Amino acid sequence: DTEVTQTPKHLVMGMTNKKSLKCEQHMGHRAMYWYKQKAKKPPELMFVYSYEKLSINESVPSRFSPECPNSSLLNLHLHALQPEDSALYLCASSLGTGASSYNEQFFGPGTRLTVL
Amino acid sequence: KQEVTQIPAALSVPEGENLVLNCSFTDSAIYNLQWFRQDPGKGLTSLLLIQSSQREQTSGRLNASLDKSSGRSTLYIAASQPGDSATYLCALREGGGNKLTFGTGTQLKVEL
Repeated sequence: DTEVTQTPKHLVMGMTNKKSLKCEQHMGHRAMYWYKQKAKKPPELMFVYSYEKLSINESVPSRFSPECPNSSLLNLHLHALQPEDSALYLCASSLGTGASSYNEQFFGPGTRLTVL
Repeated sequence: KQEVTQIPAALSVPEGENLVLNCSFTDSAIYNLQWFRQDPGKGLTSLLLIQSSQREQTSGRLNASLDKSSGRSTLYIAASQPGDSATYLCALREGGGNKLTFGTGTQLKVEL
């Protein structure tokens, strides 16, 4: 299995809802990432997990809460979002986070989130 | 702070043409550089990764070069096809944690 999967593909939620995005990989990768991408813009890093521990948080608002239950799974819990949080949320994974080329990042197809 | 620029922002070419996409960066202290393609509303597909010690990488009709001293990378696409139509993004890896800094992207359209 050489892919990163994300569910759901699309999500519409109100500002008072609580929802979660899910990302899964079975490539034995030990680093996983969340990115946010607005229309016509490049992806922006949100969080990095390395060996199931949060290693980078790019000053993301607390209404986004990441969770890494095991080495294959990464969740992003959403609560009290704002309409400006509407975006494509991308998950990625890599073997590790060192300088080697083996740590090439592989991306999932994304979840299109709309906040009403 | 690293700034990554891709020129042109958009490009339209007839099928069969060879073309070059450019990626410029301001800080040459990078570990590696990746080129991705992104189809509308989809995720990113990794095309090529060049380590900082390498000058170029090739995969099929794609060739990517890296000149760290001048802060430039190019992606060469030979014999372009309509299926190559997508947005192409370069991304730099600078330090620990494997953080990627993305360029602004080039939207490519290859017409029949």
